[in-house]
Amino acid sequence: DAKTTQPPSMDCAEGRAANLPCNHSTISGNEYVYWYRQIHSQGPQYIIHGLKNNETNEMASLIITEDRKSSTLILPHATLRDTAVYYCIVRVMEGGSEKLVFGKGTKLTVNP
Amino acid sequence: GAGVSQTPSNKVTEKGKYVELRCDPISGHTALYWYRQSLGQGPEFLIYFQGTGAADDSGLPNDRFFAVRPEGSVSTLKIQRTERGDSAVYLCASSPGREDEQFFGPGTRLTVL
Repeated sequence: DAKTTQPPSMDCAEGRAANLPCNHSTISGNEYVYWYRQIHSQGPQYIIHGLKNNETNEMASLIITEDRKSSTLILPHATLRDTAVYYCIVRVMEGGSEKLVFGKGTKLTVNP
Repeated sequence: GAGVSQTPSNKVTEKGKYVELRCDPISGHTALYWYRQSLGQGPEFLIYFQGTGAADDSGLPNDRFFAVRPEGSVSTLKIQRTERGDSAVYLCASSPGREDEQFFGPGTRLTVL
């Protein structure tokens, strides 16, 4: 079972920041937080991942709380093409299972 | 460069038939994964290969499902005696190593009538 909880859906206005929350209160010390997204009829696409420090790349920023029990994915300037289902995943590294355990994700709709 | 490709993109079969789904990973990627996605759900892990060997097949639902990767590149997912409940999108992903990000293909939509 997925170890994360996400709201089923969110809306965002085009050009505004989209902040997608994720709860992972049972996360272990050796588990990373990963975010993927899935645009309709495509395979999931990697966005970003982190352990305990905040991370930023060309797609998004990941903010992880100090106790690591929750995180927020930030899309700084959402576009219509960011409409997708966003999955927050905790993943064991360092010899754990390499599989990704997906929940139902958050369906983000970016409105014009 | 070329991404992960899967063939066929769509497969319609009848209950009880045998099907094979093919995955061509990104060249040089040693890790390969199969997932299954039902309507409205997130992808569900099936099996993971590291090279030619199945390192984790804990997600295969029953013995009708089998996957191979004989030369450490292309993989085939085989389903025997298909059932209507097998209808789903079957996704393949590859990664350079087991702890790297996974790159997904577009999936094969399997419909069992």
